[in-house]
Amino acid sequence: QQPVQSPQAVILREGEDAVINCSSSKALYSVHWYRQKHGEAPVFLMILLKGGEQKGHEKISASFNEKKQQSSLYLTASQLSYSGTYFCGTETNDYKLSFGAGTTVTVRA
Amino acid sequence: NAGVMQNPRHLVRRRGQEARLRCSPMKGHSHVYWYRQLPEEGLKFMVYLQKENIIDESGMPKERFSAEFPKEGPSILRIQQVVRGDSAAYFCASSPGQGAGQNYGYTFGSGTRLTVV
Repeated sequence: QQPVQSPQAVILREGEDAVINCSSSKALYSVHWYRQKHGEAPVFLMILLKGGEQKGHEKISASFNEKKQQSSLYLTASQLSYSGTYFCGTETNDYKLSFGAGTTVTVRA
Repeated sequence: NAGVMQNPRHLVRRRGQEARLRCSPMKGHSHVYWYRQLPEEGLKFMVYLQKENIIDESGMPKERFSAEFPKEGPSILRIQQVVRGDSAAYFCASSPGQGAGQNYGYTFGSGTRLTVV
């Protein structure tokens, strides 16, 4: 079952912050985050395992609330290069990732 | 270290023809996943394979679609008698092991854009 992502789209000015949410109705082993630029392959950003850890990649970080089966991706002090579509991928006990519908982020100068 | 290699990058087929999409995983990766993406939509799981084994094909249509990952050579996604609705980007991803909480992500190939005319 696909996770639910919100919002669908967000427009930012350089330097602004944003939060993307991902929730699942099933118990999760892990949550992955990927970014895809138009016409390109999705690129792995980070993985969060059970345990509620928080991770970071440049000024992009994420958290995983295991009890709520939710993850959030935080874009801090956004840069033009952060533009793209962000997907969360959730892993349950069937060993494959199910992806959300994506959140399109547009960062403007 | 070459990444996941997919070919062809673009494929045009007439309705009723066969499409063969190839994927060579990253060196050292033995797990392959195929996903389909329609324009402006997310990635839909199709099939998960290991060498010579189909682990999960729950996302693949029962008719016309098949996948394999032989002992030697790339993984192949085969679509027989293509229809216009098969037009999409097909992405392959690989990982070094099985998931269930392991600390690695998927590496995606650049995709094959299939157009059925």
